[in-house]
Amino acid sequence: DTEVTQTPKHLVMGMTNKKSLKCEQHMGHRAMYWYKQKAKKPPELMFVYSYEKLSINESVPSRFSPECPNSSLLNLHLHALQPEDSALYLCASTPFISTDTQYFGPGTRLTVL
Amino acid sequence: RKEVEQDPGPFNVPEGATVAFNCTYSNSASQSFFWYRQDCRKEPKLLMSVYSSGNEDGRFTAQLNRASQYISLLIRDSKLSDSATYLCVFRGSTLGRLYFGRGTQLTVWP
Repeated sequence: DTEVTQTPKHLVMGMTNKKSLKCEQHMGHRAMYWYKQKAKKPPELMFVYSYEKLSINESVPSRFSPECPNSSLLNLHLHALQPEDSALYLCASTPFISTDTQYFGPGTRLTVL
Repeated sequence: RKEVEQDPGPFNVPEGATVAFNCTYSNSASQSFFWYRQDCRKEPKLLMSVYSSGNEDGRFTAQLNRASQYISLLIRDSKLSDSATYLCVFRGSTLGRLYFGRGTQLTVWP
């Protein structure tokens, strides 16, 4: 299994909803990443986990809450989002945080109404 | 000043053409360099790493110029399937932190 999977593919939510994005990989990678990408913009790093511990938080608002329950799984919990949070949310993984080549999942396209 | 500067294009070229993209970076401590390809509404995928000595993979050639702080990507004999956005990416001194250019959009027409 050499891929990163993300669910759901698409998500529409209201500003008062609570939802979660899920990312999974079974490559034995120990570093996992969340990115946000707006149309015609590059991916922006949000969070990095290494060995299930948060290593980097790029000053992301608290309405985004990451969680890494085990080495294969990375969640992003969403609460009280704004319409400007609508974007493609990409998960990526690497064997270690020191490994440069990142493997991206297909992303979750989020729309906040 | 942005960490990475990349011409967004678009570049529109006929099949068979040769096209080149450049990308400049501001952080002289940058350690590793890459070109990623992103198709419309898809995730980025690694196209190739960029080495100081230059490297080639089929029709694609990547070069790094540390003195002038830029990397380049040359595509020869363009195919329709090369149409995509090409992102230049580098890693600075912080592990796990990649810097992405805004991407150059390429359209190859028949």
